[in-house]
Amino acid sequence: GAVVSQHPSWVICKSGTSVKIECRSLDFQATTMFWYRQFPKQSLMLMATSNEGSKATYEQGVEKDKFLINHASLTLSTLTVTSAHPEDSSFYICSARGLGQQASEKLFFGSGTQLSVL
Amino acid sequence: KNQVEQSPQSLIILEGKNCTLQCNYTVSPFSNLRWYKQDTGRGPVSLTIMTFSENTKSNGRYTATLDADTKQSSLHITASQLSDSASYICVVMLNYGGSQGNLIFGKGTKLSVKP
Repeated sequence: GAVVSQHPSWVICKSGTSVKIECRSLDFQATTMFWYRQFPKQSLMLMATSNEGSKATYEQGVEKDKFLINHASLTLSTLTVTSAHPEDSSFYICSARGLGQQASEKLFFGSGTQLSVL
Repeated sequence: KNQVEQSPQSLIILEGKNCTLQCNYTVSPFSNLRWYKQDTGRGPVSLTIMTFSENTKSNGRYTATLDADTKQSSLHITASQLSDSASYICVVMLNYGGSQGNLIFGKGTKLSVKP
């Protein structure tokens, strides 16, 4: 079964509104969570890395004030797209790595969220 | 520049046939190479993970190979099924030590299995 739950799976919103996406690790404590964006027929692009209890590290070109990431607990990280615009429409995916896991361990991905901004 | 290139970009095969997907990478420092299956509108699911010293690894009908010298990997799918239709993504993890890893994603090969 799924070990990383992402919600919602799809969302449609009006331009200018904010949307929150949740990523939960179901049966392990996730010290690190990653947020990706994927455009059609493109590879996943890392947006940011979040460690529990600290500020997220954003990749170059990703606006931290627009994509707010909160990783307040070991099982939950949220991505909030603020003042969404049509160009923010994309498939957003999270992944999680557990406490003490080595780099060779599996990295579990959420099922993704399709965001459509009208 | 760290890059992962996959070929072919797309592939159509008949059910029951075998196929092989290719992945070439120029990534350093290398930690491990992963193959993921991504169904449309879903998150990636891990198929195999191979470190530098591993040449081949199987997961059911999926067999991955790794040649660390030539920096090439392949994913062989045996006796394909309709449910194998998906994008297959090659991902290389950089070795930054400790728990910090950085993933370099390929663009994927879109496989369509027809009846």
